[in-house]
Formats: sequence, C-alpha cells, structure tokens
Amino acid sequence: QVQLVESGGGLVRPGGSLRLSCAASGFRFSDYYMSWIRRAPGKGLEWVSDISNSGTYTTYGDSVKGRFTISRDDARNSLFLQMNSLRVEDTAVYYCAREGQYSSGVDSWGQGTLVTVSS
Amino acid sequence: NFMLTQPPSVSESPGKTVTISCTGSGGSIASNYVQWYQQRPGSAPTTMIYQDDQRPSGVPDRFSGSIDSSSNSASLSISALKTEDEADYYCQSFHDNSVVFGGGTYLTVL
Repeated sequence: QVQLVESGGGLVRPGGSLRLSCAASGFRFSDYYMSWIRRAPGKGLEWVSDISNSGTYTTYGDSVKGRFTISRDDARNSLFLQMNSLRVEDTAVYYCAREGQYSSGVDSWGQGTLVTVSS
Repeated sequence: NFMLTQPPSVSESPGKTVTISCTGSGGSIASNYVQWYQQRPGSAPTTMIYQDDQRPSGVPDRFSGSIDSSSNSASLSISALKTEDEADYYCQSFHDNSVVFGGGTYLTVL
C-alpha cells in the first residue's frame, strides 16, 4: 500500500533553514506529481508547493515563493522541501502528499512532520 | 484571486444528515474539480471525495459530493451521522496552476 513518511522537522530560529524529506513506497513514485501541504496551529490546510512527475515543473504558494524549494529524487523514491529564511508564521505540521491522476487532488497523505520556528 | 469559502462550523445530531458548503469567488467552481478532505483531531487528512463526486475505495457511501454551477458552490453531504464523523472538513480545487483550499469547517456531532 502507499506509504509516505516525512522526516526532518524540528525547532529552528527565525531566519534559519531546514530540509524536509519524504520517503515514498508502495507505488511507482516517478509516475506521480507530489506536494507539500501544511497546517499551522489554529489554522486550516495550506498548499505549499508541488512538483511534476518529471521534476520539470514546480509551483509554490505566494507565502513561500522565493524561500522554499521543492525537489525529488526518483532513484531514491524521495521528495524534499528546502526551507530557507524561515519565519515564525512557517510554524506548522508539514504533510507530504501524492497527487492523483487527472486533477483529482491528493489521494494519499503522510502523517506529517512538525516545524517550529521560534527564538 | 480565486477563493473557496466555507462556514467555520456546523453541528448536527447522530443519525441526521448534514451538508457543508464551499462557495467559489473570483472564478467558476465548475472549471476545475473539487475535492473534500477530512481531518480528525491529531490525525493526518484523508481524502473523502475527489473529482466533485467520486468516493475513494473505503469511504462509506454516507459521504457524497456535488457541484451547483448556479450558486458557484460545491457541497459535501454526510448522512446517518456518527460521532466518529466529528472532524475538520476542507474543500479544495485549482486555479491558475495553484492549489486552493477552503478555510475548513469543523463538524460537531452531538
């Protein structure tokens, strides 16, 4: 079955950097678009970024554009999110997600990893 | 900017039916598929409806989705409510190569 396991979360100071990873298994990773989605404390779900199955196309939410970079390594079945210039408002649980075919949204979710940005 | 607006909360009794709305603004909701996600407290989200009205395998048929172009809105209906349905529900669609989420609706079953 599909498994998505995030890692790399933790406590970081404002202005710092963090790299999240997502290990995928149970499906042909290279066939799928992948996303990062977050939920800040007391707020709703917010789409962060996604990447095409080839890795050629990437898109970002306005709040992270220019600071976060999504990437993938199909040989290692892994998705990454490099987060730079972190802000207090980036504090959230970050979910790795697989996008279904034909614009069907997310069809599988990881359990999430907590990122806390605080001095 | 395309936005999806949901009521912050709804409540209903066990065994009844509830409908959660998701109203689009800044574009036509019928232009792209709408999905619905459930997130119980302390858990990751799960997908309940995709492509407007399709249920993933394992999702009970008590959950149904629909689109109303005349009101530019999508709806999630849950029948025969159970206490385990108490959760946040989010609608989601697409616009200009971006993913858009509604603000979420907390369903209380009491």
